[in-house]
Amino acid sequence: KAGVTQTPRYLIKTRGQQVTLSCSPISGHRSVSWYQQTPGQGLQFLFEYFSETQRNKGNFPGRFSGRQFSNSRSEMNVSTLELGDSALYLCASSLEWRTGVGYTFGSGTRLTVV
Amino acid sequence: KQEVTQIPAALSVPEGENLVLNCSFTDSAIYNLQWFRQDPGKGLTSLLLIQSSQREQTSGRLNASLDKSSGRSTLYIAASQPGDSATYLCAGPTQGGSEKLVFGKGTKLTVNP
Repeated sequence: KAGVTQTPRYLIKTRGQQVTLSCSPISGHRSVSWYQQTPGQGLQFLFEYFSETQRNKGNFPGRFSGRQFSNSRSEMNVSTLELGDSALYLCASSLEWRTGVGYTFGSGTRLTVV
Repeated sequence: KQEVTQIPAALSVPEGENLVLNCSFTDSAIYNLQWFRQDPGKGLTSLLLIQSSQREQTSGRLNASLDKSSGRSTLYIAASQPGDSATYLCAGPTQGGSEKLVFGKGTKLTVNP
């Protein structure tokens, strides 16, 4: 079966711009989580969506937002990009939320802010 | 608040060596711990999941143990191969109903032929 698909794979943006990343979960998976990975901070939780509702949110500024559609696909948006937003953004899907297990990760979107 | 630490940050070994990667966590009420592998520029692949009721899990040449009382988990890799070269991350869920994963920063393993 198809895995978790993240698009685009690579992205270069300028400071101040905004960006939208997409994540298509495994068929049947209803929960999508987003993580930011940087060399300094490692993997940090951004938010989790289940049934089109944000169920959990990490400690990131309001410039980071997301949504989930009825087909479980999710998008995350970062507005007013800063240099420090350069990172690998990973999404993970699972059947349910609040399980802590059963995640399948995508290959990520590498965002570079210049 | 769960915090996860992995030491060392990097490890280089010759092919064939047995090795141990370490992971420590602060909340002993952890109810599972997972080990993941990440290849350069790729996502995470789940390797092993240890539930709190278990002491260890095995998959092929990999064996992971969990000691909640000491707040430690280890990943043992037997007879290492160059294909094992990757970054290994451990992660545990937070408490309080969120169950989001808290990751260590990983150990970058290089197995030299």
